[in-house]
Amino acid sequence: KNEVEQSPQNLTAQEGEFITINCSYSVGISALHWLQQHPGGGIVSLFMLSSGKKKHGRLIATINIQEKHSSLHITASHPRDSAVYICAVRFGQFYFGTGTSLTVIP
Amino acid sequence: EAQVTQNPRYLITVTGKKLTVTCSQNMNHEYMSWYRQDPGLGLRQIYYSMNVEVTDKGDVPEGYKVSRKEKRNFPLILESPSPNQTSLYFCASGLAGYTDTQYFGPGTRLTVL
Repeated sequence: KNEVEQSPQNLTAQEGEFITINCSYSVGISALHWLQQHPGGGIVSLFMLSSGKKKHGRLIATINIQEKHSSLHITASHPRDSAVYICAVRFGQFYFGTGTSLTVIP
Repeated sequence: EAQVTQNPRYLITVTGKKLTVTCSQNMNHEYMSWYRQDPGLGLRQIYYSMNVEVTDKGDVPEGYKVSRKEKRNFPLILESPSPNQTSLYFCASGLAGYTDTQYFGPGTRLTVL
């Protein structure tokens, strides 16, 4: 049973393209997190969402609590955005999606 | 500098030889947690702690032990490691609230032969 589903699993884009990564979850949650993992392994937290929308630079994250769905958008993608993006929800413990591997080609 | 540190970063060991992976944070966070990351399975939570002397099982606690005697430290203990515990392990910390950001350590790559 997988409480968190992400799509797509892999994504290749040309520099400058608009990118969307989707996350659906099956449990009631208090918050949803988007994480970024670069080659070499380090994980950083990009967003924590409990409702609505957040924006940091070229990254935008939205959540629809009723539909149990979140999206991460990257505008004007750049090769340095190449990483694995992971969705996580907290319902007591944390549950994670398996990640979306993004490659942005110059 | 605010950080979560893990030691060792790399470890190769043999089946059955007890080991401890240390985790320490300098941000006075109440919440600390251990995860393992495996190809195709993603991150999975092993144990977490909401505060000193309070620990709870995550998704995959079998074969692991933890303790939280001090706020800053949360060691992960493998009493009798087995090859299926070969993985990349992350420690993380955060404030106790459900809506708080987590800060991750750099990871420990463990190989059990």
